[in-house]
Amino acid sequence: DAGVIQSPRHEVTEMGQEVTLRCKPISGHNSLFWYRQTMMRGLELLIYFNNNVPIDDSGMPEDRFSAKMPNASFSTLKIQPSEPRDSAVYFCASSFQTADNSPLHFGNGTRLTVT
Amino acid sequence: KNEVEQSPQNLTAQEGEFITINCSYSVGISALHWLQQHPGGGIVSLFMLSSGKKKHGRLIATINIQEKHSSLHITASHPRDSAVYICAVHTGNQFYFGTGTSLTVIP
Repeated sequence: DAGVIQSPRHEVTEMGQEVTLRCKPISGHNSLFWYRQTMMRGLELLIYFNNNVPIDDSGMPEDRFSAKMPNASFSTLKIQPSEPRDSAVYFCASSFQTADNSPLHFGNGTRLTVT
Repeated sequence: KNEVEQSPQNLTAQEGEFITINCSYSVGISALHWLQQHPGGGIVSLFMLSSGKKKHGRLIATINIQEKHSSLHITASHPRDSAVYICAVHTGNQFYFGTGTSLTVIP
């Protein structure tokens, strides 16, 4: 299995531009998580999906952020318009969520720099 | 207010030493995760616990649900164990993360 695949690995963009981050979860996993990591705030959960349905988006910082999961094998996190304070590493993770929970599998992250 | 507290924040050890990293949490949880993040940035899930103890190689994780406390132990530490170790708790619909423990193992 290729693991969780994120693209791009690095993204540099100017303030005001739209940014789209992509994630392909591990095949068969039914839960997908988007996290953000910064030096100041550490890791934060932004949103998570179960069976393609957003379950909790309370971590999404503001309306400029949106996430979609059109099918079980693909998710996007979009920032529009982007701001310098959005600069961070964005991680996607997936798991097979059962009543007992299951380990998280992380992608390698997308390092976003907004200038 | 931090739902998850880790200690120590930074830890330097000599190769071969026994290492303990602690995690305390204040919320009701369905599971606790120990994550490892290497200097390159990738995150690996080491353990997921809801009770008791788990062992994988030189790593041991324990959890005490009543005391809301978990520990990660590394036996016979090695320089390749140098990484940031992050405790995360899952409440069922939310994840809370500790700020991480930066471990450096010196040869």
